[in-house]
Amino acid sequence: QKEVEQDPGPLSVPEGAIVSLNCTYSNSAFQYFMWYRQYSRKGPELLMYTYSSGNKEDGRFTAQVDKSSKYISLFIRDSQPSDSATYLCAMRNTGRRALTFGSGTRLQVQP
Amino acid sequence: GAVVSQHPSRVICKSGTSVKIECRSLDFQATTMFWYRQFPKQSLMLMATSNEGSKATYEQGVEKDKFLINHASLTLSTLTVTSAHPEDSSFYICSAGGTGATEAFFGQGTRLTVV
Repeated sequence: QKEVEQDPGPLSVPEGAIVSLNCTYSNSAFQYFMWYRQYSRKGPELLMYTYSSGNKEDGRFTAQVDKSSKYISLFIRDSQPSDSATYLCAMRNTGRRALTFGSGTRLQVQP
Repeated sequence: GAVVSQHPSRVICKSGTSVKIECRSLDFQATTMFWYRQFPKQSLMLMATSNEGSKATYEQGVEKDKFLINHASLTLSTLTVTSAHPEDSSFYICSAGGTGATEAFFGQGTRLTVV
């Protein structure tokens, strides 16, 4: 079993829809949770970063962490075609700075 | 956010040759950098942790004699793929976080094709 599970998609939504992306994990030591966006053949771009449980909002993006369920989410409001990309969740524990990634969810926003 | 620059973005080499990939932190000092590998439609897998002024730490299953890492300064880490073979063809990505940083910023990635 992988430490971090993420549905690979693809997830196709119409422009303006609310998108929900999720990851589950098994390592209860994870404390830092991140979401990255990756366009084809490019390096990942940090979107959201959350420490421990709770919500964080930045513009159209909201990140949620539920440590009791070992479940994290990224919500994208008013999705745009330019949001079409692969979204990777990543996490790490306090003692290790390298990240453990999910497999990524490919999102397609149809105009 | 912080800027990490990776070069080259794409390289094609012949089997048996060596290829060097550079990773630079442009606006901050990075005591630690990380090298990942990504196969098509798969996630990033950590290869090694590069520490400034000391030896790199390799993940299990990664050949340290094949993937040479040098972190000679606080702004530069290099990955050299030695005696490359077609199975080494992949997307290599570096990241850096700076001293005390919790986020990791990634380079643009290097697509290596070994023919």
